[in-house]
Amino acid sequence: GENVEQHPSTLSVQEGDSAVIKCTYSDSASNYFPWYKQELGKGPQLIIDIRSNVGEKKDQRIAVTLNKTAKHFSLHITETQPEDSAVYFCAASVQNTGFQKLVFGTGTRLLVSP
Amino acid sequence: DGGITQSPKYLFRKEGQNVTLSCEQNLNHDAMYWYRQDPGQGLRLIYYSQIVNDFQKGDIAEGYSVSREKKESFPLTVTSAQKNPTAFYLCASSIDWLNTGELFFGEGSRLTVL
Repeated sequence: GENVEQHPSTLSVQEGDSAVIKCTYSDSASNYFPWYKQELGKGPQLIIDIRSNVGEKKDQRIAVTLNKTAKHFSLHITETQPEDSAVYFCAASVQNTGFQKLVFGTGTRLLVSP
Repeated sequence: DGGITQSPKYLFRKEGQNVTLSCEQNLNHDAMYWYRQDPGQGLRLIYYSQIVNDFQKGDIAEGYSVSREKKESFPLTVTSAQKNPTAFYLCASSIDWLNTGELFFGEGSRLTVL
């Protein structure tokens, strides 16, 4: 079945450093790849997404890259700040009898130390 | 403010009891979803509803039931048939089911079976 693998499961960085989280997907028909940030006790919130016709997208300190040939995509956070500490989930869209659903990775806990 | 409201935030249940988790949205979204989140795992889809009076099983529907009698409401019942119900439950909505887009999540309900 559809599968999304996410690495690393935990990531600790110093404030100001960059953080990179990587995901691979199995369904070559996937065409939408969002990233969600989940703070403690809250629901996930979309932070950035990319569609398959684009190789890279940037929004201030956050960027996502997509390599369709290799079926992997990555989240890049530059100049990390303590408020970036959270769990980050990647996801990939899959077709399911006419309905597009999202398959989520297992999450990365990012800790940014001051 | 528009958004998704889940209640209760915390719920304790004795084995053998059914419980219903509430999810209400005022975003005028057609599609609604229920996800289950366990430690170290991604979000797994329980049920989804593309439109009022219609819903479909997701990947882990066994032991759960839903209804969609109103556009803004999508309650989830965790039945006694669910073998391992202790988890964090997330409700989400999206504008429609035709094109994968942003999911808006509620803040979740944590169910603990005693």
